[in-house]
Amino acid sequence: DTGVSQDPRHKITKRGQNVTFRCDPISEHNRLYWYRQTLGQGPEFLTYFQNEAQLEKSRLLSDRFSAERPKGSFSTLEIQRTEQGDSAMYLCASRPRWGARGGETQYFGPGTRLLVL
Amino acid sequence: SQQGEEDPQALSIQEGENATMNCSYKTSINNLQWYRQNSGRGLVHLILIRSNEREKHSGRLRVTLDTSKKSSSLLITASRAADTASYFCATKETSGSRLTFGEGTQLTVNP
Repeated sequence: DTGVSQDPRHKITKRGQNVTFRCDPISEHNRLYWYRQTLGQGPEFLTYFQNEAQLEKSRLLSDRFSAERPKGSFSTLEIQRTEQGDSAMYLCASRPRWGARGGETQYFGPGTRLLVL
Repeated sequence: SQQGEEDPQALSIQEGENATMNCSYKTSINNLQWYRQNSGRGLVHLILIRSNEREKHSGRLRVTLDTSKKSSSLLITASRAADTASYFCATKETSGSRLTFGEGTQLTVNP
């Protein structure tokens, strides 16, 4: 399978704990996005990387959230001191480099569903 | 905040009928994309229409874009039970790289 993969697919944690999610983009896609989706809503943008550089961050990304893409390949999203309001589906997407075929399309992974108790 | 607004929020039709979903947005865009999401799963890209295009087809899908009204529609012809899913429009503004999604239309196709 050469699509976007995310790990874990499901995570249950207690309030106050830290969690980390991983996203592996489609190989050779240099752009990577994180979105959050709550029940009954559309995805909301969190952050965007081009290669290893984090170029855009949403105001939704509070101080408790941090994302990295250290080598320009996989990315991690960490949430510290989780709150019940963090319960959501966290979606990762990747996109080819400018000028490549399908370069305007974001390809989504299956998501990580987080439940904070 | 969500820029797009989809209409209707929910649509239930019989297999073989056509389904039309509408999307409105507020800012200037570079392109508009439609995605499908099966329950609890990731999003699947369906079709992209650029701001200088008015209509686009892909298989049983037809998308229109009216930039003067800041609206788009997705038509699925000859629907199948397998088309049951949530459908989202997403806009890419002229600046930035993010997609801004609407709240989606839940389509149910009854066999």
